[in-house]
Amino acid sequence: GAGVSQSPSNKVTEKGKDVELRCDPISGHTALYWYRQSLGQGLEFLIYFQGNSAPDKSGLPSDRFSAERTGGSVSTLTIQRTQQEDSAVYLCASSLDRGPRNGYTFGSGTRLTVV
Amino acid sequence: SQQGEEDPQALSIQEGENATMNCSYKTSINNLQWYRQNSGRGLVHLILIRSNEREKHSGRLRVTLDTSKKSSSLLITASRAADTASYFCATDGDSNYKLTFGKGTLLTVNP
Repeated sequence: GAGVSQSPSNKVTEKGKDVELRCDPISGHTALYWYRQSLGQGLEFLIYFQGNSAPDKSGLPSDRFSAERTGGSVSTLTIQRTQQEDSAVYLCASSLDRGPRNGYTFGSGTRLTVV
Repeated sequence: SQQGEEDPQALSIQEGENATMNCSYKTSINNLQWYRQNSGRGLVHLILIRSNEREKHSGRLRVTLDTSKKSSSLLITASRAADTASYFCATDGDSNYKLTFGKGTLLTVNP
């Protein structure tokens, strides 16, 4: 597609339930990033995928968070046993290659609300 | 770690005025980027300035970089109501493959 596509746009879930957030990057972009943005805050790095290399998971806040990237394209961020503090906008971005030398292209995000 | 810190946190101006936002960072960088975010959703890349550059222009945007002071500024000239958004600086100082974002400056341009 022409841009980075994220789904769903909005997700309301009950505390304790699992959620899956999807990101479809720009075709040909080898690097994919997940960030989280809490209300009024900056972006918090979660995870980075580059080609077939092992992902950098250093930003995942707990073991309830995991992410996969299948076939070097679509990525899924999974949050298990959601908590209210997980409520945030989850942003996915992709870039042409390793290193943010040309800027990221962001999706519109998934607004997650845990009630 | 919080790499980029924007200043001010919020800025309100009248249409036609210029808006200046500042960003300070802590570590050495390869480049610094500015992004805009409307309504708390996806960010849009505005401009990138490399560490060996001091100034860069793109339309009504002017970015400066002072690596000795570890600071950058974003100037928007002849502002419009449509420029109302949050503006973030981002640096690659912590890593050569990921960006670290500040908390942003909320710019409001009043018609």
